[in-house]
Amino acid sequence: GQNIDQPTEMTATEGAIVQINCTYQTSGFNGLFWYQQHAGEAPTFLSYNVLDGLEEKGRFSSFLSRSKGYSYLLLKELQMKDSASYLCAVSPNTGGFKTIFGAGTRLFVKA
Amino acid sequence: DADVTQTPRNRITKTGKRIMLECSQTKGHDRMYWYRQDPGLGLRLIYYSFDVKDINKGEISDGYSVSRQAQAKFSLSLESAIPNQTALYFCATSGAGGQQFFGPGTRLTVL
Repeated sequence: GQNIDQPTEMTATEGAIVQINCTYQTSGFNGLFWYQQHAGEAPTFLSYNVLDGLEEKGRFSSFLSRSKGYSYLLLKELQMKDSASYLCAVSPNTGGFKTIFGAGTRLFVKA
Repeated sequence: DADVTQTPRNRITKTGKRIMLECSQTKGHDRMYWYRQDPGLGLRLIYYSFDVKDINKGEISDGYSVSRQAQAKFSLSLESAIPNQTALYFCATSGAGGQQFFGPGTRLTVL
């Protein structure tokens, strides 16, 4: 079966660092995506990992371990505007680029 | 102008009514998708299309149908709406890299 797990909610303080974990079990693997979604809005792309290791992009970094079926999104220097849901998504290598989404992690950033 | 647009943005309808949600894109992508999002369940794939002649069912296609009128247009129909189809609906496109670009969403309420 296909399964993606991530925590339902997290709370962190402005200026701090937060790590959002994601584990997955899929029938194939063609890359892992992270999306940000503010309440009532469309998801927007944050990062993409296809090889093991860390991808850094400004305040956001994403890590992948394919052997462990594990990824995390690291947000540094948290800002109030980072309060949003963060969606982990996997593209299995079956069915082309059809993507499977996790339920998302709601992050609350407090002052 | 937005790359992926959806109409209508909000719709209230009654049980048994037929409704159509429309999606247009200017990104030139062949791949288009329809998702629904419910609280706590994340994004679930309804239908997807990899080109004008290709239509595929997703994980929750029952009660829905689609039409790919052109590369740029992909519409979703509910033949006879029921209350449990109340949700937020997103259209998305993707290119060769797999990253998905989402429309602004349609909030549908079925009374």
